[in-house]
Amino acid sequence: SQTIHQWPATLVQPVGSPLSLECTVEGTSNPNLYWYRQAAGRGLQLLFYSVGIGQISSEVPQNLSASRPQDRQFILSSKKLLLSDSGFYLCAWSGENTGELFFGEGSRLTVL
Amino acid sequence: DQQVKQNSPSLSVQEGRISILNCDYTNSMFDYFLWYKKYPAEGPTFLISISSIKDKNEDGRFTVFLNKSAKHLSLHIVPSQPGDSAVYFCAASAGDAGGTSYGKLTFGQGTILTVHP
Repeated sequence: SQTIHQWPATLVQPVGSPLSLECTVEGTSNPNLYWYRQAAGRGLQLLFYSVGIGQISSEVPQNLSASRPQDRQFILSSKKLLLSDSGFYLCAWSGENTGELFFGEGSRLTVL
Repeated sequence: DQQVKQNSPSLSVQEGRISILNCDYTNSMFDYFLWYKKYPAEGPTFLISISSIKDKNEDGRFTVFLNKSAKHLSLHIVPSQPGDSAVYFCAASAGDAGGTSYGKLTFGQGTILTVHP
């Protein structure tokens, strides 16, 4: 069966510090991978998606970047965090041509 | 521009009664709609979906209705149970020939459902 895992679960970082959130998927190959963010009191917003190794599409201009160094690994990064980067970050995967997303447990980022 | 809207931030229902969660959308290109359920500090889990070629899809206690002319969908939970208490997100996607859009979901703000024993 397929599983998705992301870490760390909770992160408190000072403004201006770097960020790295990691996500891995097991039990499937060539998944579409996504990073979503849920800001306080808001719905989930798509940040990045990837259909293959090294292929990253950004949905919104922002302070963050994403990378996919391996088929089942997706990384969300920032060189310098802003207060507005605080939120609940969710990694997700889907198979080709399916609309159903499978989400990880989420990572709570607080930037102080 | 909020393309998917859930205008009720919260809903409170008695156990055993029906819960009706509503969602409106503005993008006529959306052709696939989903409902997700989310508990605090967890990722959302898929509940039920509906394609735009249908107007109803049922799975156990959960039924989703789609009214394309009104650009409105709703999730009915019958009977409601205390374990259904969670945040419910409506989501939509616009498919393309390559299929890569299917996972690119636009979410509503969510509705907090509380089912009282």
